[in-house]
Amino acid sequence: NAGVTQTPKFQVLKTGQSMTLQCAQDMNHEYMSWYRQDPGMGLRLIHYSVGAGITDQGEVPNGYNVSRSTTEDFPLRLLSAAPSQTSVYFCASSYSQGSKQYFGPGTRLTVT
Amino acid sequence: GDSVTQMEGPVTLSEEAFLTINCTYTATGYPSLFWYVQYPGEGLQLLLKATKADDKGSNKGFEATYRKETTSFHLEKGSVQVSDSAVYFCALTLTSGTYKYIFGTGTRLKVLA
Repeated sequence: NAGVTQTPKFQVLKTGQSMTLQCAQDMNHEYMSWYRQDPGMGLRLIHYSVGAGITDQGEVPNGYNVSRSTTEDFPLRLLSAAPSQTSVYFCASSYSQGSKQYFGPGTRLTVT
Repeated sequence: GDSVTQMEGPVTLSEEAFLTINCTYTATGYPSLFWYVQYPGEGLQLLLKATKADDKGSNKGFEATYRKETTSFHLEKGSVQVSDSAVYFCALTLTSGTYKYIFGTGTRLKVLA
C-alpha cells in the first residue's frame, strides 16, 4: 500500500493564481481531511469528507474548495491564492470517526 | 468548544532524561485521545492512543493515560534518545456526532547526546 500520497511536494504561486493540491489514498478509507500547519498554531482543519460525494467545512475553509467524486481522491482547490495561504498542507485519511489518521507527506505552498 | 492545550516548547533534554509533555483537553461527549509525532520534513504519524477513561496507550517506550477526572493525557517516557527529537501533537476526536479532529499546537522536543 502506498498509503496517503500528496502532490506536489512544493509549490510557489503568485497572488491571484489558482491551483489544485492532489491527495489520494489506497486504503479504502471513508474519512478524508485537509489540514494546514502554521507555526505556533498546530494543525487546523480546512475541509473534510465522510465518504464519496459528501464534504463539509472545517475550522478554516475560506478560500478553499474540495470535492470527493471517488473514495480514493480528495483534491483541495485554491481559487485565488493569497499570501495568507502560505503554509504546509497535509491530507489525512481514516477508517472511521474516532480511529487514527494516516497522513500524507505534505505540500509546502508559498504564495508571493 | 472542544479544544486541546499542550505545553509550549521547545523542550530540551539530555539523552536518558525523563520526559513529560502535558496535554489537557475540553470536549463534549466522549473523545478518543491521541499523541502524534512529526519528524522533520514528514507528515504526522500516530504514536499512541486511548479511547476511554483510564486507558493507557503505549508505544516505543512512550506512555499516556486517559484521565477523565483531570481531563488530561500527558505523554511520558522514562529515558529519551536523540532519535526521539521531533514535534509531538496531542489530539482528540469525537466518536459520534459532528466529525471533529482537534490538535494541540505541538511541542518540539530536542534531545542532546
